Formats: sequence, C-alpha cells, structure tokens
Amino acid sequence: EADIYQTPRYLVIGTGKKITLECSQTMGHDKMYWYQQDPGMELHLIHYSYGVNSTEKGDLSSESTVSRIRTEHFPLTLESARPSHTSQYLCASRGGGGNTEAFFGQGTRLTVV
Amino acid sequence: AQTVTQSQPEMSVQEAETVTLSCTYDTSESDYYLFWYKQPPSRQMILVIRQEAYKQQNATENRFSVNFQKAAKSFSLKISDSQLGDAAMYFCAFQDDKIIFGKGTRLHILP
Repeated sequence: EADIYQTPRYLVIGTGKKITLECSQTMGHDKMYWYQQDPGMELHLIHYSYGVNSTEKGDLSSESTVSRIRTEHFPLTLESARPSHTSQYLCASRGGGGNTEAFFGQGTRLTVV
Repeated sequence: AQTVTQSQPEMSVQEAETVTLSCTYDTSESDYYLFWYKQPPSRQMILVIRQEAYKQQNATENRFSVNFQKAAKSFSLKISDSQLGDAAMYFCAFQDDKIIFGKGTRLHILP
C-alpha cells in the first residue's frame, strides 16, 4: 500500500464555495503532481512540484492553485467552485530520477452543485 | 513536447489468453523512461512495468512483458495468461520531470 493519502474521498459542495483538496505523502518524495481525470478516464496534468516552494502549472489550464510549504503536503485549492470543476482529482508523488515509479492517492471525487 | 498515444480505447480478452496493448510516443530525448500503470475500478493506480530507453532488453514482470521498439517509438504491453483481476484501465506513460499519460485502454477479461 502506497503512503500517499488524499482527503476527502468524496466532496459535494455548492457553487461559489472555497475548497481545499488535501494530498499528503510520507515517503519523502520531492516530486508531486495533481491530475484531473475526466469521465473517459483520461488524465490531465494540472499542477506539479519539484520540491518545497516549487510549483508549476501543468498542461491543462486550471483555475485551481497549489502550494508546497512542506515536502509531504501538496494541497490544491479552488477559491470559488463551479459545476465545471466537477471531476476526479488524483494526486501522485515520486522521488529520485526519471526511472522511479509514481505512487498515487485514491483520488477525490468532487461534485459542485 | 512529449506525447503518448494509446489507440485502443477498449479491449477484451478471454481469461487465460494473451492480449497486447499498444502505445506509441514522441520525444526528441534520447534517454527517458516508459511505464505502464494500471488503475483497477475504484482502486489506486499502480505500476505494472517500467522500461529504460537505453536498455535494449525488453522488461518482464511475471505475466507482463513489453515490446520496446525505440526507433519506432513503440512500447506495447503483453499480458499472458489473463486473469479476472487484470481487468482495469491501463495507462502508458512517458516520464521525465513530468509524467505524461496516454488516454488509456480499458481492458475487459471475459470468463
């Protein structure tokens, strides 16, 4: 079992609310990622981080923001949720060089009503 | 920019048979890593197998093996003796600092 955790697993929230999706790992990994998974299961990279105080936008434009104040924690925030933000969000982490495998959280299924 | 293409949205295979999932990619780099990940229904994504581009020998992990053709930029996954527990979404991935996934192939195992 991978030591990477996402909370909450499921979230139903009203339009306009601010939300934070949590992602934590206890493996000391430098690299962390957020993916948005669409209904067809395709994975879109929305944010990534190489380490503390490093954050980059991914290939899919997103209204969300991230922070990396601690190695183990990579939260994703939506200041004002909208129905278009409804999706599955996956967090992943890995360490070392390019040959290291990524470990994934169980995902957060967000529904904005 | 790197791209990864999986041309088979869905596949089905009879239990105990062999199936091959296709993946092609594009990159200008010479040294890189390729992965196959598996996402079972309602469960976490996990690693199936990895291949280092500088290694000519195809990677093998038990019933899973790859056919890596660097010149053709092809990286297919072969599953032998398919089992019901192999049913999942399979993602091919190109990895450097980012992890770029293909669109995935949903594999059904027929009893």
